[in-house]
Amino acid sequence: GAGVSQTPSNKVTEKGKYVELRCDPISGHTALYWYRQSLGQGPEFLIYFQGTGAADDSGLPNDRFFAVRPEGSVSTLKIQRTERGDSAVYLCASSMTGSTDTQYFGPGTRLTVL
Amino acid sequence: GNSVTQMEGPVTLSEEAFLTINCTYTATGYPSLFWYVQYPGEGLQLLLKATKADDKGSNKGFEATYRKETTSFHLEKGSVQVSDSAVYFCALSPLSNDYKLSFGAGTTVTVRA
Repeated sequence: GAGVSQTPSNKVTEKGKYVELRCDPISGHTALYWYRQSLGQGPEFLIYFQGTGAADDSGLPNDRFFAVRPEGSVSTLKIQRTERGDSAVYLCASSMTGSTDTQYFGPGTRLTVL
Repeated sequence: GNSVTQMEGPVTLSEEAFLTINCTYTATGYPSLFWYVQYPGEGLQLLLKATKADDKGSNKGFEATYRKETTSFHLEKGSVQVSDSAVYFCALSPLSNDYKLSFGAGTTVTVRA
């Protein structure tokens, strides 16, 4: 079956602009996660959704970052007033129900802020 | 807090060589431990996991044993192939927030024919 998909695969933007990154989880997975991976580092947790609600957003670095999942499926990560330090690969993952279920990762969106 | 430290790379090996990638962790209580792998051009995928002390995770000829006394989860494979060339990430999820993965920095492994 189809895995986790993310669009766009690459996004180049200018400092100060607004961007949206989209994640389509595996069908039927109720849990969805966003991670950020900077160059040479492992992924860092940003936010966890269970259904439509953000169960844990403790990893969001500041209030410029926001994520939604209005219908409990597709999720959008939104970044306002982008900064050069936001440049990274943004990974989305989904799992069947959360907890210790295996997380399946998408290919990521590479964001470059000029 | 929770953290994972893994062996720095890159690691270059010949085919059929023995591979070890060291991983140690810091966590409160007893986390679950994972190895994820990222093949060139692909997304992260779970390689193996262990959820309690002395458990051994295994998959595709790779093994790792959860050692509480040394807080370690070293990855091993007895005979690597060119197709094992990838970036390997050690990770943990804490008992309290067991969905929240904390990753090491990754180790790049290149296997030469």
